[in-house]
This record gives sequence, structure tokens and C-alpha cells, in this order.
Amino acid sequence: NAGVTQTPKFRVLKTGQSMTLLCAQDMNHEYMYWYRQDPGMGLRLIHYSVGEGTTAKGEVPDGYNVSRLKKQNFLLGLESAAPSQTSVYFCASSTWGNEQFFGPGTRLTVL
Amino acid sequence: SQQGEEDPQALSIQEGENATMNCSYKTSINNLQWYRQNSGRGLVHLILIRSNEREKHSGRLRVTLDTSKKSSSLLITASRAADTASYFCATARYYQTGANNLFFGTGTRLTVIP
Repeated sequence: NAGVTQTPKFRVLKTGQSMTLLCAQDMNHEYMYWYRQDPGMGLRLIHYSVGEGTTAKGEVPDGYNVSRLKKQNFLLGLESAAPSQTSVYFCASSTWGNEQFFGPGTRLTVL
Repeated sequence: SQQGEEDPQALSIQEGENATMNCSYKTSINNLQWYRQNSGRGLVHLILIRSNEREKHSGRLRVTLDTSKKSSSLLITASRAADTASYFCATARYYQTGANNLFFGTGTRLTVIP
């Protein structure tokens, strides 16, 4: 099993460009999450999903959109990237009430 | 915010010594989890302790939870250089929507000197 995978690993964008980050899990987990990690601030929840076809806002959802069309995939979109979105993005999945399994992260730089 | 806060922010010890990290939080929780992150990598789950538990062990790890003080501690015994990493506590709260979200602290950076 690959666990949780993220694509791409690195990306550099110019302000105003758009992109989509892909997260895939092969553990049949219902719950999936997108976090961002900034220096000295720990992880903050952007959006999450409690099942296929559902999404909900987390702590810092502004500037991001998500979709969960298939149970195994959770996509994070940036419609118009801003320098403030420079960060490391982590995807995670879990069953209800249990530990979360994290992907390796995507390092995004917005110039 | 129910975000956990770790203490200390950084800890440096000699190999073989024990390392203790503390976590405090502000609201009621359903469980508290500890994660480890090696530099530039994803987070790895270490241990989960539920709100009705007071202590839990896993190998060289020992976690305690005091819900009256809203605090938890992670003890790593007989530390090794390979334990060098950042350690995060995360508090879990359940929602009527079925969500099971975690709120992370800012982490403790542990350095184990060989």
C-alpha cells in the first residue's frame, strides 16, 4: 500500500496563477484533510471531507477550493495564487475518531 | 482556540537521556494525539490517548493526559540520535457533521546529540 500520496512535490507559481494539488489514499478512509504548515505556526486545517462528495471549511479556507469526487482523491485548488499562500501543504486521511495518516507534503512558492 | 501549545519550543539532550515534552490546550477534547515530523517530511502518528485515559505506553514512549489541567506530556526514554525531529500534539474534537478534526500546536524541536 502506498498510503497517502501527494502530487506535485514542489511547485513555483507567479501571483495570479492557478493550480491544483492532488491527494490520493489507498486505505479506504472516509475522512480526508488539507493542511498548510508555515514556520512557527504548526499545521492549520484548510478544508476537510467526511466522505465522497462532501467538503467543509476548516480554520483557514479563504483562497482555496476543494473537491472530493472519488473517495480516494481529495483535490485542493488555488484559483488565483498569492504570496501569502507560499507554504508546505499536507494532505491526510483517517477513519472516524482515529489517527490521521499524512502524505509527504507539497512545497509551494508563490512569487 | 483549542490549539495545543507545546513546551519547550526546543530541547537538546544527550543520547541515552530521557526527553519530556508538554502540551497544554484550552477546550474540552475527545482525544489527544502526538505526531513526529522529521525535517522536510510528513507527520507520523505516534500515539493517541482518549479523554477517559490517563496514561498510555508504546515502546519507549509514554504519554500522560490530565484533563482537569488540560495538559499532556510525552516522555521518550533512552533517546537515540534518530529521535531528532519535531514533535506535535494535536487535540481532537468531534462535530455533529461527523467531522473529527485535529488542532495542532506549534511543536517542540528535539535534538539528540550522539
